[in-house]
Amino acid sequence: SYVLTQPPSVSVAPGKTATITCGENDIGSTNVHWYQQKPGQAPVVVMYNDDDRPSGIPDRFSASNSGNTATLTIFRVEAGDEADYYCQVWDSGRDQVVFGGGTKLTVL
Amino acid sequence: QVTLRESGPALVKPTQTLTLTCTFSGFSLNTRGMGVSWVRQPPGKALEWLAVIDWDDDKHYSRPLKTRLTISKDTSKNQVVLTMTDMDPVDTATYYCARIQNSIIRGVVMGSYNWLEPWGQGTLVTVSS
Repeated sequence: SYVLTQPPSVSVAPGKTATITCGENDIGSTNVHWYQQKPGQAPVVVMYNDDDRPSGIPDRFSASNSGNTATLTIFRVEAGDEADYYCQVWDSGRDQVVFGGGTKLTVL
Repeated sequence: QVTLRESGPALVKPTQTLTLTCTFSGFSLNTRGMGVSWVRQPPGKALEWLAVIDWDDDKHYSRPLKTRLTISKDTSKNQVVLTMTDMDPVDTATYYCARIQNSIIRGVVMGSYNWLEPWGQGTLVTVSS
């Protein structure tokens, strides 16, 4: 079964690069999806199937998945990127959707 | 345009059964590969997946909550209903429904699921006497 581990918080200055990780043994063997949730709003998918970006999501958002770590990278961070970010997989062994614990991104 | 909207009581008493309805538009649960999932989020806490139902009436539940949850669909009304029994104050949360689709590989619908998108706005349910 999957237990997705995310850092509780990440802080970055505007214009810099933010990196948010999602760790689990052999996570690279499954598809990982990433959500952005701003206060008082529902989550929105920002990356899916490891590294695909939905239309309307800026190309500053990028993601990768290999080995034991999936990574969401946000280049040239803006104040509007401040939000909670969650990774998610489908655990086919237990037939469950699994979310990571979430990472609060703070833009300094 | 795909939209989903949750409805149900804002307040339930401990031990009562919660019934939530997700009314959606822009897609059909008669369509191969389509599904609807429920997720909740206690105030200030992380997302927690609850259940999924799909076009083929396959249902999957969160293992810790499996005995308390029932998910069903009414395709004629474009609705999915989630019931949760024996409510407790720790179940106080915003409850979301979202569309989810089966993975399809070379035209074959797999038993696995993809990402959740879009989500409804959520409905806050408080459990208190």
